[in-house]
Amino acid sequence: GEDVEQSLFLSVREGDSSVINCTYTDSSSTYLYWYKQEPGAGLQLLTYIFSNMDMKQDQRLTVLLNKKDKHLSLRIADTQTGDSAIYFCAERWHSSASKIIFGSGTRLSIRP
Amino acid sequence: EAQVTQNPRYLITVTGKKLTVTCSQNMNHEYMSWYRQDPGLGLRQIYYSMNVEATDKGDVPEGYKVSRKEKRNFPLILESPSPNQTSLYFCASSPDRGRGELFFGEGSRLTVL
Repeated sequence: GEDVEQSLFLSVREGDSSVINCTYTDSSSTYLYWYKQEPGAGLQLLTYIFSNMDMKQDQRLTVLLNKKDKHLSLRIADTQTGDSAIYFCAERWHSSASKIIFGSGTRLSIRP
Repeated sequence: EAQVTQNPRYLITVTGKKLTVTCSQNMNHEYMSWYRQDPGLGLRQIYYSMNVEATDKGDVPEGYKVSRKEKRNFPLILESPSPNQTSLYFCASSPDRGRGELFFGEGSRLTVL
């Protein structure tokens, strides 16, 4: 199947780390993405990782890729209220360069 | 400013009344695509276009049509809308034949009564 799976909701306390998890399907996916959707807006690319990498860090964001388990995670350090959004995991299929499959999105809410 | 512009942003219509959602990008991107977003289902691709006069079906094309007569425009046409097409629609474009980052419009919320 072509499912990219994510949990629907995550609630964290302000200042804590958030970890959003995703499992994908195509073991030969070349790129894996995290997109962020703020209320009333379209999606914006947050970060991405090539399939030949295990980890990518960009300021407060850390992406971990476990190819064996087809598991991708996004860690947001020191979570702030501005991080409240829906986060989508997406994979680009190797067999079809133009096909990107999105997960259902994880809604991150921040508690004071 | 580089952007993808969709219109209308909000629309309420009735079953069977043809409508068009326009999409325009000013980044000279070859690749454009339409998605619908439904609760719990994420984004599902409706149609995509690799270049002018080159369109192809995505995962959920039934009930929709598209055209790509110019590089910048990629309208989504609902010939006879039905209530199950009530959804939030996003247009996106990308350089490099869809391999790169997708740039999204702000979305068009459509309600079909």
